[in-house]
Amino acid sequence: EDQVTQSPEALRLQEGESSSLNCSYTVSGLRGLFWYRQDPGKGPEFLFTLYSAGEEKEKERLKATLTKKESFLHITAPKPEDSATYLCAVQGELRGGGNKLTFGTGTQLKVEL
Amino acid sequence: GAGVSQTPSNKVTEKGKYVELRCDPISGHTALYWYRQSLGQGPEFLIYFQGTGAADDSGLPNDRFFAVRPEGSVSTLKIQRTERGDSAVYLCASSLTRGNEQFFGPGTRLTVL
Repeated sequence: EDQVTQSPEALRLQEGESSSLNCSYTVSGLRGLFWYRQDPGKGPEFLFTLYSAGEEKEKERLKATLTKKESFLHITAPKPEDSATYLCAVQGELRGGGNKLTFGTGTQLKVEL
Repeated sequence: GAGVSQTPSNKVTEKGKYVELRCDPISGHTALYWYRQSLGQGPEFLIYFQGTGAADDSGLPNDRFFAVRPEGSVSTLKIQRTERGDSAVYLCASSLTRGNEQFFGPGTRLTVL
């Protein structure tokens, strides 16, 4: 069974204070690792897909990296508008045509002035 | 362009009643997914449609839950004899084909009294 563990559960940063969020996973045949951002009362918003170890992707102040066992979401010089819950999900090998994502419980990020 | 839409945004019902939740995917997306998210948790997979057929319904918790997608576009999640434990946010997502990024709607918050 695919499993995703995210840490820390919550993180409070000062504006401009860089940090990283961790996503550890176990999956049978990784087909993709996904990062989403979720604001209160809204659906998850797609950020990145990573497919193989060593891959990196960037978007504004966010950079996602992938190894064979974990992924990191690096936040450089965060701003208050980066405050949200960040969700990590994996997509494992195809079973019976399935395509589900298995999510972690998320890291709740708060960036203060 | 328009994203995934879900109606209603909120639904309050009484224990034992029947409810229907609607999802309208992004135009042209052939794959459609339903997830359920409880407070403080990540989304949990329920069912996946490729076109009109349910390709993977392994996440449906029991036979009170049923979903259809008769014309390969709009989908309806149906819950019979609702229980208080069914209270959650029900999220719908769509993707161009299986394996691509999944884009989520805003969700329907279901409260069973």
